[in-house]
Amino acid sequence: GAVVSQHPSWVICKSGTSVKIECRSLDFQATTMFWYRQFPKQSLMLMATSNEGSKATYEQGVEKDKFLINHASLTLSTLTVTSAHPEDSSFYICSARDGGRKDTQYFGPGTRLTVL
Amino acid sequence: QQQVKQSPQSLIVQKGGISIINCAYENTAFDYFPWYQQFPGKGPALLIAIRPDVSEKKEGRFTISFNKSAKQFSLHIMDSQPGDSATYFCAASMYSGGGADGLTFGKGTHLIIQP
Repeated sequence: GAVVSQHPSWVICKSGTSVKIECRSLDFQATTMFWYRQFPKQSLMLMATSNEGSKATYEQGVEKDKFLINHASLTLSTLTVTSAHPEDSSFYICSARDGGRKDTQYFGPGTRLTVL
Repeated sequence: QQQVKQSPQSLIVQKGGISIINCAYENTAFDYFPWYQQFPGKGPALLIAIRPDVSEKKEGRFTISFNKSAKQFSLHIMDSQPGDSATYFCAASMYSGGGADGLTFGKGTHLIIQP
């Protein structure tokens, strides 16, 4: 089956530093990937849509300068949280849309970010 | 504005019973409706999905029922097992030329199957 990986699985950083999270589709090509954020015991909120070779599309209320997204290849998208603060602590989850099955999104295992 | 409303928030079902989770949506432009299962600390896993051209879809023990006029859809889990205990999310998205767009999720249902 389709597998999406994320790295790292968890990260702890100091306030003011930047953190990069990678999302990879391992066995399929994904022209489109999505980034979501999930607070404890809450639902997933779409942050942005990442298209290979073009600028990401951000949802209303998501700061594009704070959450930098790059989708440089058909199997890799990265999310960089710049100048992280404690309120950025969350579970970040990516999904990849299978180019062959255009409706299905496969989710990664998530990255737990804790900002001290 | 919550575009996808999910109920109940929590549900306890006896082993072997039927678990039923309901969702209602507001945006009539939505035309892709998946259900996801999530275990603590893990990413969501796709269970089953439906598009509005059919009223029901079954895969194994999981069935989606879809009512376009009422803008409602539901997940039925037959013969519920303790291993089904998890949080379930309904979701919806529009479908553009490239495929399904980013998902709008319901708030989730915490399902417990009692042995």
